[in-house]
Amino acid sequence: NAGVTQTPKFRVLKTGQSMTLLCAQDMNHEYMYWYRQDPGMGLRLIHYSVGEGTTAKGEVPDGYNVSRLKKQNFLLGLESAAPSQTSVYFCASKGTLGEAGELFFGEGSRLTVL
Amino acid sequence: AQSVTQPDIHITVSEGASLELRCNYSYGATPYLFWYVQSPGQGLQLLLKYFSGDTLVQGIKGFEAEFKRSQSSFNLRKPSVHWSDAAEYFCAVGRRGYQKVTFGTGTKLQVIP
Repeated sequence: NAGVTQTPKFRVLKTGQSMTLLCAQDMNHEYMYWYRQDPGMGLRLIHYSVGEGTTAKGEVPDGYNVSRLKKQNFLLGLESAAPSQTSVYFCASKGTLGEAGELFFGEGSRLTVL
Repeated sequence: AQSVTQPDIHITVSEGASLELRCNYSYGATPYLFWYVQSPGQGLQLLLKYFSGDTLVQGIKGFEAEFKRSQSSFNLRKPSVHWSDAAEYFCAVGRRGYQKVTFGTGTKLQVIP
């Protein structure tokens, strides 16, 4: 009963390096989301997906790219990391349009950009 | 656009005391409202949710919240706080058929003996 799994849980990058965060869910959810959490700012939506093969921008999409090639996976990429992207990243998933809007979260991925 | 305001950044209560965390939302139609809790180093866990019907909703861990449309509020309450309730609490708003959920900035709860 894994739910939402994020890898890696911790990562340290140098400015300009690239990386990908992987989110996997086993609940057959249509919707998947990437949020970032920073002190005093709550959770801010980066990108989201309403189904396999779709992606859309959230509040703070700049500097990030995403892909949803498989329904169960949602990847968040940083092409050229910047110190401003130091944050804790959370993936979440949600059922279909007509269902209740509860989000299921992963445990987070802490990224530090030096 | 929907938005959520949690006016209290940090609250300290004594163990056994009652608790109320404030949440105000801005949204034109009937919202879906949520309270999530985040323990240190963990993801967010749903405490309770309101979609329709009875405006007083019960959640896990003895929490409840009341939806007040006239005040655009959805305050979280607990009659007697336990030390294990120390965490950060997030209010969130969404709506049926809408893909995005908007979170407040969170309230950090400290419980003292």
